[in-house]
Amino acid sequence: GDSVTQMEGPVTLSEEAFLTINCTYTATGYPSLFWYVQYPGEGLQLLLKATKADDKGSNKGFEATYRKETTSFHLEKGSVQVSDSAVYFCALSDHWGGGKLIFGQGTELSVKP
Amino acid sequence: DAGVIQSPRHEVTEMGQEVTLRCKPISGHDYLFWYRQTMMRGLELLIYFNNNVPIDDSGMPEDRFSAKMPNASFSTLKIQPSEPRDSAVYFCASSQLGEKLFFGSGTQLSVL
Repeated sequence: GDSVTQMEGPVTLSEEAFLTINCTYTATGYPSLFWYVQYPGEGLQLLLKATKADDKGSNKGFEATYRKETTSFHLEKGSVQVSDSAVYFCALSDHWGGGKLIFGQGTELSVKP
Repeated sequence: DAGVIQSPRHEVTEMGQEVTLRCKPISGHDYLFWYRQTMMRGLELLIYFNNNVPIDDSGMPEDRFSAKMPNASFSTLKIQPSEPRDSAVYFCASSQLGEKLFFGSGTQLSVL
């Protein structure tokens, strides 16, 4: 079945460092891809999404490009802040888009001042 | 908009007891999802509804779990009897037309 694999955490960075969190997927069709973020004690929030190959999703300085040839959707940010500390989840929808989501295991990011 | 509202935020119960988790989706949303989050298994989709009708319950672990959505503004997830391995954070999420999911803050369930 469809699945999502993320790099293991925790990832610890200094403020203003460059961030990459790797995500690869397996899907039989043409899924939409998402990054969600979970701050401590809260539910998940949509960070960005891409619905087709070569699309780039972006939000709050984060970016991810839908790469069909490498089945990847890596999350990047040029300069992280302490407030970016959270758990990041890569996900795909095996349906019309945004419905039944399949999540990766999550990657914890800790940014130190 | 108040967002997706879940109650209670924390639930501590003893093995064998019945547990009921509640969710109020965002008004106007036609999809409702129940997820479970644990360290070992990550985020798992338990069941989802479209227009109050259960569409896919293949993620429900066993017959001890049941979910209902009697109307567009309310859903429950019930565990009877509860077991220690049910301890987890349970999230409810809603969406409109299958687009962006909005998650509640979750219910932290501890079964002793």
